[in-house]
Amino acid sequence: ETGVTQSPTHLIKTRGQQVTLRCSSQSGHNTVSWYQQALGQGPQFIFQYYREEENGRGNFPPRFSGLQFPNYSSELNVNALELDDSALYLCASSLAGTSGGRETQYFGPGTRLLVL
Amino acid sequence: KNQVEQSPQSLIILEGKNCTLQCNYTVSPFSNLRWYKQDTGRGPVSLTIMTFSENTKSNGRYTATLDADTKQSSLHITASQLSDSASYICVVSGLTDSWGKFQFGAGTQVVVTP
Repeated sequence: ETGVTQSPTHLIKTRGQQVTLRCSSQSGHNTVSWYQQALGQGPQFIFQYYREEENGRGNFPPRFSGLQFPNYSSELNVNALELDDSALYLCASSLAGTSGGRETQYFGPGTRLLVL
Repeated sequence: KNQVEQSPQSLIILEGKNCTLQCNYTVSPFSNLRWYKQDTGRGPVSLTIMTFSENTKSNGRYTATLDADTKQSSLHITASQLSDSASYICVVSGLTDSWGKFQFGAGTQVVVTP
């Protein structure tokens, strides 16, 4: 186990709804990254939070937003859900600035979202 | 176009045999390359991390190689075990990418049979 937890494990929503996914980082980690993984594909970077500030974003529309809290846990919010948002959402935590860019990311088990 | 291509897409090997997975990338300038193992229904787990100056890195029965000139990497699994059945993902980070904005390959699905 990596010490990174995500909730819920599974979720079913309908088109147009909004969803909030949660991630609890490994103790001591200050950075959280969120990824979307479609079936049979590799993860796609959504965004990263470092010390409560967004620190990089992938090619995802603004309806994907996030937060990082003082305890470094994080939320991913998706508004106006579309069918293509159905995927496994992964969060990964790390302690940035300790290994010159070679920091290890520890992934959570993911939240499987199905949009109907 | 994906900047990280993996091959084969999937393979089946007998328990105890060796296998090699390939990763070609176009990310430039290059910072580091990682191999992850992802069991079904779980998040990826890091196996190796290599920078451009490293050309081989081992983690138990897993050995990764890197040729930064040809932009190729391989992951060799020795004496495969049933627990090696998983997807193996190659991940590349560019020097100008913000940290965490990695380029993931689609993965190679490995099935080890008794």
